[in-house]
Amino acid sequence: EAQVTQNPRYLITVTGKKLTVTCSQNMNHEYMSWYRQDPGLGLRQIYYSMNVEVTDKGDVPEGYKVSRKEKRNFPLILESPSPNQTSLYFCASRDRYYGYTFGSGTRLTVV
Amino acid sequence: AQSVTQPDIHITVSEGASLELRCNYSYGATPYLFWYVQSPGQGLQLLLKYFSGDTLVQGIKGFEAEFKRSQSSFNLRKPSVHWSDAAEYFCAVGGDSGYALNFGKGTSLLVTP
Repeated sequence: EAQVTQNPRYLITVTGKKLTVTCSQNMNHEYMSWYRQDPGLGLRQIYYSMNVEVTDKGDVPEGYKVSRKEKRNFPLILESPSPNQTSLYFCASRDRYYGYTFGSGTRLTVV
Repeated sequence: AQSVTQPDIHITVSEGASLELRCNYSYGATPYLFWYVQSPGQGLQLLLKYFSGDTLVQGIKGFEAEFKRSQSSFNLRKPSVHWSDAAEYFCAVGGDSGYALNFGKGTSLLVTP
């Protein structure tokens, strides 16, 4: 089944403790991206990657890092999480015909 | 820069009534337009998309949307709403001049008996 897999689904962590949210797709898509969703703000893009080793900032990149060492994986890294990064995170990949596939989401709480 | 406006934050309709959710976009080139639905605690499900061609697009679950270039709109419609349609609806715009999918802030739909 074609899918984008995010892990973990839920995460509670403390301020300053580095964490990684993994994202993997099995569709051989070149383009992947991360979004955060907050009430009243919709989804905002954090980072995107057009291909392996090519990443760029989205609208809200502060406090986040990403890497794209292989096509299928696009982890999101929070090196020093803060409470304002409490949010629902979605990873997505896109085919060449602009068909987007979203993961199931990761609900992160930073205390 | 591309952007999407969903003017209605909340909409309440009676079950069986018709529904129209509004979406206005700003985009300098040919827009690719999408409607997604998100049920509580769930991920995003694509309802329909418009790239080119017929401006009336049919989607899943009985939804349709009409692209009106002159009004920069892509409104979502359903002739008869079911209680299971209660969810958050997001309009999004992308295009061949960029890689981002820009979302509106969403419209929350409540369906009453």
